[in-house]
Amino acid sequence: DAKTTQPTSMDCAEGRAANLPCNHSTISGNEYVYWYRQIHSQGPQYIIHGLKNNETNEMASLIITEDRKSSTLILPHATLRDTAVYYCLYSGNTPLVFGKGTRLSVIA
Amino acid sequence: KAGVTQTPRYLIKTRGQQVTLSCSPISGHRSVSWYQQTPGQGLQFLFEYFSETQRNKGNFPGRFSGRQFSNSRSEMNVSTLELGDSALYLCASSLGNRGNTEAFFGQGTRLTVV
Repeated sequence: DAKTTQPTSMDCAEGRAANLPCNHSTISGNEYVYWYRQIHSQGPQYIIHGLKNNETNEMASLIITEDRKSSTLILPHATLRDTAVYYCLYSGNTPLVFGKGTRLSVIA
Repeated sequence: KAGVTQTPRYLIKTRGQQVTLSCSPISGHRSVSWYQQTPGQGLQFLFEYFSETQRNKGNFPGRFSGRQFSNSRSEMNVSTLELGDSALYLCASSLGNRGNTEAFFGQGTRLTVV
């Protein structure tokens, strides 16, 4: 079973920042937080991952709280193409386990 | 470099038949994982292969099996197909290092059992 908690759905205006929260209160010290997204009928796409420091890449930023029990994925300037289901998960020695994710709708 | 390639993209089979799906990972990746995605159950882990050995297995019946070849390509097989096996089957490849490694998914094989 998925071990993370995410909102079922969120809306975001095009051009604004999308902030997607995730709770992972049972994460262990050596487990990384991962974010993937899935656009309809395609395979999931890797976005970003981190251990305890905040991370940024060309797609997004990942903010992990100091206690590591939650994180936020930030898409700085959402576009219509960012409409997708976003999955937050964590993994150390185990395969990736996906939950239901957050369905993000970017609205023009 | 080339991404993860899954073949075929679409497949229609009859109940009771068997099916073999193929996955070619990214060059240099040694781990291949398989997932089943259905509208009701979401993405569910089937199994993972690393260096030709099954490293992890999900909670699926024995009708679902897989293997990995020396070039890291992987196949999964489903025997005695049931209507409920209709799904998108996804494979993901990674370097295989535990924890700090991202997985890259293929486009999937959409299997329809009639």
